[in-house]
Amino acid sequence: GNSVTQMEGPVTLSEEAFLTINCTYTATGYPSLFWYVQYPGEGLQLLLKATKADDKGSNKGFEATYRKETTSFHLEKGSVQVSDSAVYFCALSRGSGNQFYFGTGTSLTVIP
Amino acid sequence: GAGVSQSPSNKVTEKGKDVELRCDPISGHTALYWYRQSLGQGLEFLIYFQGNSAPDKSGLPSDRFSAERTGGSVSTLTIQRTQQEDSAVYLCASSLVPGQGDTQYFGPGTRLTVL
Repeated sequence: GNSVTQMEGPVTLSEEAFLTINCTYTATGYPSLFWYVQYPGEGLQLLLKATKADDKGSNKGFEATYRKETTSFHLEKGSVQVSDSAVYFCALSRGSGNQFYFGTGTSLTVIP
Repeated sequence: GAGVSQSPSNKVTEKGKDVELRCDPISGHTALYWYRQSLGQGLEFLIYFQGNSAPDKSGLPSDRFSAERTGGSVSTLTIQRTQQEDSAVYLCASSLVPGQGDTQYFGPGTRLTVL
């Protein structure tokens, strides 16, 4: 079946620290991969995506590379800011209707 | 342009009552999805619509749950005889087409509390 395993949180970092949130997946065929972010009090927003192997998605200083050989899509940012505090969800899309399969979410808190 | 909207934003109901949750997708989006976000279960897929038809209802947890979409636009998720385990945030999303790799745009959710 299709599933996503995401690094458990919560994660607390100091401002300007390096961030990695691990995400691995299991899927039939070749899914598309996404990172969504949920800021406090807001809805889910797309952060970045990659639709085929070796693609790199990037946005707002965040990056993730679709690694087929390790079935991974780890999220990284070189220098986090307080405003990056949020819950991050890794997801894959697969199936006849492109439905999403989400990881459990990783809560990130960045302290000044 | 307007994003995905959902109503009500909060709903408190008594066990055994029926509830209706509404989703208004982005104009022109043909695909519409319902998910549920609950503690301990994360985000689960419930159902998706392509136009007015629902090719995949596999995520609906029981026959107390149903959904419809009319005019290729607004969708309603109905939960009959609500139970406490139905308490969750119900999220709606839409995409231009249900193609793999297409971004889904999420609404703010309806928080359902069953007492």
